Amino acid sequence: QKEVEQNSGPLSVPEGAIASLNCTYSDRGSQSFFWYRQYSGKSPELIMSIYSNGDKEDGRFTAQLNKASQYVSLLIRDSQPSDSATYLCAVYSSASKIIFGSGTRLSIRP
Amino acid sequence: EAGVAQSPRYKIIEKRQSVAFWCNPISGHATLYWYQQILGQGPKLLIQFQNNGVVDDSQLPKDRFSAERLKGVDSTLKIQPAKLEDSAVYLCASSLGRNGYTFGSGTRLTVV
Repeated sequence: QKEVEQNSGPLSVPEGAIASLNCTYSDRGSQSFFWYRQYSGKSPELIMSIYSNGDKEDGRFTAQLNKASQYVSLLIRDSQPSDSATYLCAVYSSASKIIFGSGTRLSIRP
Repeated sequence: EAGVAQSPRYKIIEKRQSVAFWCNPISGHATLYWYQQILGQGPKLLIQFQNNGVVDDSQLPKDRFSAERLKGVDSTLKIQPAKLEDSAVYLCASSLGRNGYTFGSGTRLTVV
């Protein structure tokens, strides 16, 4: 079992719709959870962090965490073509290091 | 605040040659990381430094990779000798703690 699992996609969503990205993790002792956005040929950019169960909203982005189910998600409302990128889920594990998933490729179609 | 600086941006070498990458973290960030990202995959941690000490190098192929962080500031990652499968982007990141990393722009290595 991979430590951080994501569906590789591609996930295709029409412009203006909600994009939903999911991630599961194996280490129950994980403390912090992150979503990074990575455009092709660029380095990852931190867009959301979440530390406690529930929802955290920042503009069009909402991160959701359920520690009991070991599940993290990212919702992007009013999706724009500029949101087309690979989204990396990352988990700060009990071993004090951040483990990345392999990423979900998101494509927003006009 | 200046970001994480990395150089070079691109490097092409032949297999069995050596190569070195340099990273300067954000000022004051005690923790520095080197990641390897192969095309289509997520970043894989190679080595983690806390100040100038190694915290985790469990996934560093020590027969060919080495890294150092002298004086607890900038760091170099070396590959000697390089193999074809080392072709990847090498990302340096720094952080203050568990609140997420800031990545540099990366070095794209192509081994031919």
